[in-house]
Amino acid sequence: GIQVEQSPPDLILQEGANSTLRCNFSDSVNNLQWFHQNPWGQLINLFYIPSGTKQNGRLSATTVATERYSLLYISSSQTTDSGVYFCAVSGGSNYKLTFGKGTLLTVNP
Amino acid sequence: DAGVIQSPRHEVTEMGQEVTLRCKPISGHNSLFWYRQTMMRGLELLIYFNNNVPIDDSGMPEDRFSAKMPNASFSTLKIQPSEPRDSAVYFCASSIREDYGYTFGSGTRLTVV
Repeated sequence: GIQVEQSPPDLILQEGANSTLRCNFSDSVNNLQWFHQNPWGQLINLFYIPSGTKQNGRLSATTVATERYSLLYISSSQTTDSGVYFCAVSGGSNYKLTFGKGTLLTVNP
Repeated sequence: DAGVIQSPRHEVTEMGQEVTLRCKPISGHNSLFWYRQTMMRGLELLIYFNNNVPIDDSGMPEDRFSAKMPNASFSTLKIQPSEPRDSAVYFCASSIREDYGYTFGSGTRLTVV
């Protein structure tokens, strides 16, 4: 099946800093999503982005499907941005969404 | 919209007992997914349904696990008999279709002692 690799595995920031999270995948995708799992365990969908660029407030994402990667940008980070960020993909005729191992983000005040 | 609703939020049971987890998807969503999250294995897809029909159950760990979707507004995941290694957080998600964005429920934390 399709492989998903996220980097970095851990990231510590000061409030107000910007960051870029990366997701590499091994095959063409029919679905790519970014999720935030907050410290209480809730999984929040940030973006559905199999290609192109989207923005939502301080967050934006870009997927370059031909080069098999996606980036999540967080600007002016806040302590509430802390948690784990997951990239999840499915590809080809297979619609099983496979999750990466995530990036653990800690934003300090 | 109340989102995807899962119950119970927490379940503690003894080994050998039957456990039933419940999920109500968002109205109008045609695809429903059951995931399990553990520290060792991360988030794994167990089974998913399209229009109440099971499409892929290859992630169901063994015959002790079964899932049903009797109608568009309700699904269950049953474990019988339960074992300590089944302890995990079980998430249900729904989507308009299988290749679109998912909305996850709050999860059920299962502990088997």
